[in-house]
Amino acid sequence: EVQLVESGGGLVQPGGSLRLSCAASGFSFRSYWMYWVRQDPGKGLVLVSSINSDGSTTGYADSVKGRFTISRDNAKNTLYLQMNSLRVEDTAVYYCARDRSAPDAFATWGQGTMVTVSS
Amino acid sequence: EIVLTQSPGTLSFSPGERATLSCRASQSVSSSFLAWYQQKPGQAPRLLIYRASSRATGIPDRFSGSGSGTDFTLTISRLEPEDFAVYYCQQYGSSPPTWTFGLGTKVEIK
Repeated sequence: EVQLVESGGGLVQPGGSLRLSCAASGFSFRSYWMYWVRQDPGKGLVLVSSINSDGSTTGYADSVKGRFTISRDNAKNTLYLQMNSLRVEDTAVYYCARDRSAPDAFATWGQGTMVTVSS
Repeated sequence: EIVLTQSPGTLSFSPGERATLSCRASQSVSSSFLAWYQQKPGQAPRLLIYRASSRATGIPDRFSGSGSGTDFTLTISRLEPEDFAVYYCQQYGSSPPTWTFGLGTKVEIK
């Protein structure tokens, strides 16, 4: 069974840091682009970051550029999102997602992990 | 950047009715790289349709997608109780890679 399981969310003060992890199983992790998508409470979906299969190409939403870093460990089948200088507006559920073997759509999603930035 | 507009924000139907949801792009979506997702409260989104009209694995055939260019439609031929949810469209552009979502349409029980 294809599965993505996020961890690492929690409550952090503005200016703080968190590292999210996404453990993948049931598929050849090293063959897929991977993504982090967030959803503000009660609102829509935003692509936060992307990374290609070998980690050599990454992309970020303008709102997180310079503060967030996506990475992956293909030996451990794990995706990461290092989040620094967190702001109140970064509060959201963060989903890890995999595309459908072409980068145009997200076929598999994790259950999400909540990040709350508040003093 | 392409902006996707889903309107109206909420649609009300009775079970068994046909639902038609709209997604309009501010520019043409290349190669019909338009996808649809369903999201229920407390759950992650689920891919329904990709490339505008291809059903994802395990999706019932009452869900269908159509359209090209700037106008796309998701149709649910006969609403089942489990279909009441929020539906998002999403487009992909390849150069450079970009992914954007619409704000969603909530399908509620009338």
